[in-house]
Amino acid sequence: EVQLVESGGGLVKPGGSLRLSCAASGFTFSSHTMNWVRQAPGKGPEWVACVTGGSHFIYHADSVKGRFTISRDNAKNSLFLQMNSLRTEDTAVYYCARTSGSGTYNSPYYFDYWGQGILVTVSS
Amino acid sequence: DIQLTQSPPFLSASVGDRVTITCRASQGISKFLAWYQQKPGSAPRLLIYGASTLQSGVPSRFRGSGSGTEFTLTVSNLQPEDFATYYCQQLNTYPFTFGPGTTVDIK
Repeated sequence: EVQLVESGGGLVKPGGSLRLSCAASGFTFSSHTMNWVRQAPGKGPEWVACVTGGSHFIYHADSVKGRFTISRDNAKNSLFLQMNSLRTEDTAVYYCARTSGSGTYNSPYYFDYWGQGILVTVSS
Repeated sequence: DIQLTQSPPFLSASVGDRVTITCRASQGISKFLAWYQQKPGSAPRLLIYGASTLQSGVPSRFRGSGSGTEFTLTVSNLQPEDFATYYCQQLNTYPFTFGPGTTVDIK
């Protein structure tokens, strides 16, 4: 059974830092691109960042570029999000999500498994 | 970035109804669109990918269609567990943006 379990969330002051983790199990972790997606209270999901299986391609949304860094440790089946210079607008539930598919016409991408989410609150 | 709009933002329906949600992209995305269902306090759940492919385990009353810039999600014979918020997501170009959502509630 595929499982994704986030940890590391909590309350932090503006300008502070936090490191989120996502523990994966039940599948070959290194074979999948992994993502962080966040959802502010009462809002729709916002894709934050992704990293390919071998960490060759990493992409961050403009809203977090230069402040957040996605990374992974395939030996430990873990995904990370280092969040620095946090702002009040970063307050959200953060999900890790698995990408499946190869991005081609006959095998499009999709996010098929999601963690339960972890709340990050940025407030003074 | 590719922007997605959804209509309507809210929809009231009854059990047994058929409902249709539309998602429009700001530029052509071929068939690289997914639909998700989300209930309060839970993560989004994948329903449809590649615009029209039903995810394993999803009931056949969910149907997706469209390509290019206009897509639809149709739910036939609405069941009590279908009252939720539905989001589209484009997976054609990074960043993989989501639509603003359509909430389906009980009439």
